[in-house]
Amino acid sequence: NAGVTQTPKFQVLKTGQSMTLQCAQDMNHEYMSWYRQDPGMGLRLIHYSVGAGITDQGEVPNGYNVSRSTTEDFPLRLLSAAPSQTSVYFCASSYHIAAYEQYFGPGTRLTVT
Amino acid sequence: DQQVKQNSPSLSVQEGRISILNCDYTNSMFDYFLWYKKYPAEGPTFLISISSIKDKNEDGRFTVFLNKSAKHLSLHIVPSQPGDSAVYFCAASSNSGGSNYKLTFGKGTLLTVNP
Repeated sequence: NAGVTQTPKFQVLKTGQSMTLQCAQDMNHEYMSWYRQDPGMGLRLIHYSVGAGITDQGEVPNGYNVSRSTTEDFPLRLLSAAPSQTSVYFCASSYHIAAYEQYFGPGTRLTVT
Repeated sequence: DQQVKQNSPSLSVQEGRISILNCDYTNSMFDYFLWYKKYPAEGPTFLISISSIKDKNEDGRFTVFLNKSAKHLSLHIVPSQPGDSAVYFCAASSNSGGSNYKLTFGKGTLLTVNP
């Protein structure tokens, strides 16, 4: 099992550009989520999904879109990048919404100039 | 409004001694608590958890204590090893009020274990 994979590992965007951060898991997990980590801020939930076709907002959803067309994939789209979105992004999954232990990907470091 | 607080940004201990990392929470509806460990340039990894019906959970060198009346939990690492040097995140969860078991994380504590 590859676990949770994220691409790319690093990305630099200009303000106003859009892009998609990819996340995939091969553990047949129902629950997937996206977090951002900023210095001194811990991990904050952006969006999450409890299964294919179902998504919901987390704590900091503005400026981001998600969709879940398959169990395996949960891409995060930045619609119009802003410097405030400079962060490290982590994707995570767990086998069920009630399973609190989540498996995290290695992260994507995004810089918006 | 920070619901999970880790008030010590960093902690330094000697190898072989005990490390105690603390976490406080304000939301009385939290019913499950977890500790994650994070090395630089890697994603967090699950370490240990505790349900609100317990006051202690132990896994090898790691023990988590929960004091519900004080809304406080702590992670004890005994004995501490240099490989334990990492950032430790406390997280809490609840299924009440439509929160759907979403995790709320603290800001983390950087533990350094000196040889």
